[in-house]
Amino acid sequence: NAGVMQNPRHLVRRRGQEARLRCSPMKGHSHVYWYRQLPEEGLKFMVYLQKENIIDESGMPKERFSAEFPKEGPSILRIQQVVRGDSAAYFCASSPGPGQGSRTEAFFGQGTRLTVV
Amino acid sequence: KQEVTQIPAALSVPEGENLVLNCSFTDSAIYNLQWFRQDPGKGLTSLLLIQSSQREQTSGRLNASLDKSSGRSTLYIAASQPGDSATYLCAVKETSYDKVIFGPGTSLSVIP
Repeated sequence: NAGVMQNPRHLVRRRGQEARLRCSPMKGHSHVYWYRQLPEEGLKFMVYLQKENIIDESGMPKERFSAEFPKEGPSILRIQQVVRGDSAAYFCASSPGPGQGSRTEAFFGQGTRLTVV
Repeated sequence: KQEVTQIPAALSVPEGENLVLNCSFTDSAIYNLQWFRQDPGKGLTSLLLIQSSQREQTSGRLNASLDKSSGRSTLYIAASQPGDSATYLCAVKETSYDKVIFGPGTSLSVIP
């Protein structure tokens, strides 16, 4: 089991460009969570998805940010028209879903570090 | 709404000291509590996981306790070493949606 895989590990974008961050969950996991870590801060919850469905997006900024987890392929966190304030580390976690392995530890990817120049 | 806090925000100790990091959470409806370590610019390393029904977990020089009713956990590090220098994050997994909520972290510096 390769664990939670995120790519790219580092991403540089100019202001106004789009950033696409990918997360492949652990094998057998159908739920994905995205977190953002701003410089010198803790991890903040952004969004929780299961395949083809957004469960909780209470932590997502209202504009420019979107997330999806299609039936096939990785989960994508998309940031449109990036600004310098979007520079952060974005972490992804996966789980089997509520009721199945809820008591297991949280499994996180190594993160994508986005730098907006 | 679950809120997780950690005290102190930063700590600097001489090598060899025993130390305690504190974590508090507001909602006791949790499955478990997990302590992570994060080195600068790196990902998360899971240190210890305590289930809601457990009181403590130990791994090497690390011991974590959990008092769910009072919403508190402590991470005890024995005989600290310079290699322990990192940020330590406490996180609780809520029973609603299995969402993990993090504290802001404690930045530890162990001076040789």
